[in-house]
Amino acid sequence: AQRVTQPEKLLSVFKGAPVELKCNYSYSGSPELFWYVQYSRQRLQLLLRHISRESIKGFTADLNKGETSFHLKKPFAQEEDSAMYYCALSGSSNTGKLIFGQGTTLQVKP
Amino acid sequence: NAGVTQTPKFRILKIGQSMTLQCTQDMNHNYMYWYRQDPGMGLKLIYYSVGAGITDKGEVPNGYNVSRSTTEDFPLRLELAAPSQTSVYFCASTPGGPEQYFGPGTRLTVT
Repeated sequence: AQRVTQPEKLLSVFKGAPVELKCNYSYSGSPELFWYVQYSRQRLQLLLRHISRESIKGFTADLNKGETSFHLKKPFAQEEDSAMYYCALSGSSNTGKLIFGQGTTLQVKP
Repeated sequence: NAGVTQTPKFRILKIGQSMTLQCTQDMNHNYMYWYRQDPGMGLKLIYYSVGAGITDKGEVPNGYNVSRSTTEDFPLRLELAAPSQTSVYFCASTPGGPEQYFGPGTRLTVT
């Protein structure tokens, strides 16, 4: 079964501290993994995707197929990073469907 | 472009009432989706459409219906509203890739 698990509902860190939001997935094929973010009073939007291997707003995420993980990391958290983060998986179908994790609220304290 | 628009923003329904949540996109995207967002549960796919005239069930379709008569519009119909349908509803679209463009959401309360 296809599944995305984000074990932490809430992650609270101080400004300047490193951040790691965990994401594990279950999928039998070769998935595409994504991180979406929802800032307060804004729409859910794509943050980054594993195939682009880019850093967005200082965030990076590496796909670890052995551990079936796609953790989101940032070395120094900023207050403006406070938001809800969703990990998502796209399977092999051509429907564009995404499977989302439960979401993690990141709270960056001053 | 307005992107994906949803109406209404908020709604309170009584148990057993019906309503339609509207979703419109002006990006000429073929693919459209309806999700519900419940606290601690993430986003669950209700229905989706890969083009006008084509719809299919997602993970949690019970209690909902959709139609897709045009590329732009993808309304979600709730028949006989129940408290379990209290949620935030998001509509999204994509031209075909996995980057989905989301609407602002509709917060629905059923009492």
